[in-house]
Amino acid sequence: QQQVKQSPQSLIVQKGGISIINCAYENTAFDYFPWYQQFPGKGPALLIAIRPDVSEKKEGRFTISFNKSAKQFSLHIMDSQPGDSATYFCAARNNAGNMLTFGGGTRLMVKP
Amino acid sequence: DAMVIQNPRYQVTQFGKPVTLSCSQTLNHNVMYWYQQKSSQAPKLLFHYYDKDFNNEADTPDNFQSRRPNTSFCFLDIRSPGLGDAAMYLCATSVGFTDTQYFGPGTRLTVL
Repeated sequence: QQQVKQSPQSLIVQKGGISIINCAYENTAFDYFPWYQQFPGKGPALLIAIRPDVSEKKEGRFTISFNKSAKQFSLHIMDSQPGDSATYFCAARNNAGNMLTFGGGTRLMVKP
Repeated sequence: DAMVIQNPRYQVTQFGKPVTLSCSQTLNHNVMYWYQQKSSQAPKLLFHYYDKDFNNEADTPDNFQSRRPNTSFCFLDIRSPGLGDAAMYLCATSVGFTDTQYFGPGTRLTVL
């Protein structure tokens, strides 16, 4: 019930393309869905987050799409840049606390 | 800038030799977390402090202990490191259980 499944494990995108990473969850008690970006040798940094009362949130080139009925959410990176190359983790937090359940991560490489 | 600081950034220890990792924060957050992250995996929560209250995850080995002498500092003690304990150790903080978790840069532990 606490699992968050993330796909793909790795992704290669050309510069200027759209990167799409998907996550699915089972626990309907999850009420907060952040995405973290992690560069090699660094800690994860919050990129963007969404709550289930909205279906989409956009911040610059980054957009989260949320489908509550399907229990799925995705990260879209528009106009992907080589500097976006990093590992991306989706996560979910239930309404009983602040323990994050992480997805398995997606290693994104944006080719120049 | 307010931040989460981890020292050292790289730590090498010998099999079975106790090691202590430290985390400090200038954010004045009341919750502090320790995660273990192995290569190409998601961070795994070891334990957290809510103020002075310590909460251990059920599957955290007894080999791992923690201390929080004050709001700003938190330590991770590994009593007898094994080869399987080689990993990145991440400290994170939050304001209660309703806010985003902010991660430090991590300490890379090598066990020889």
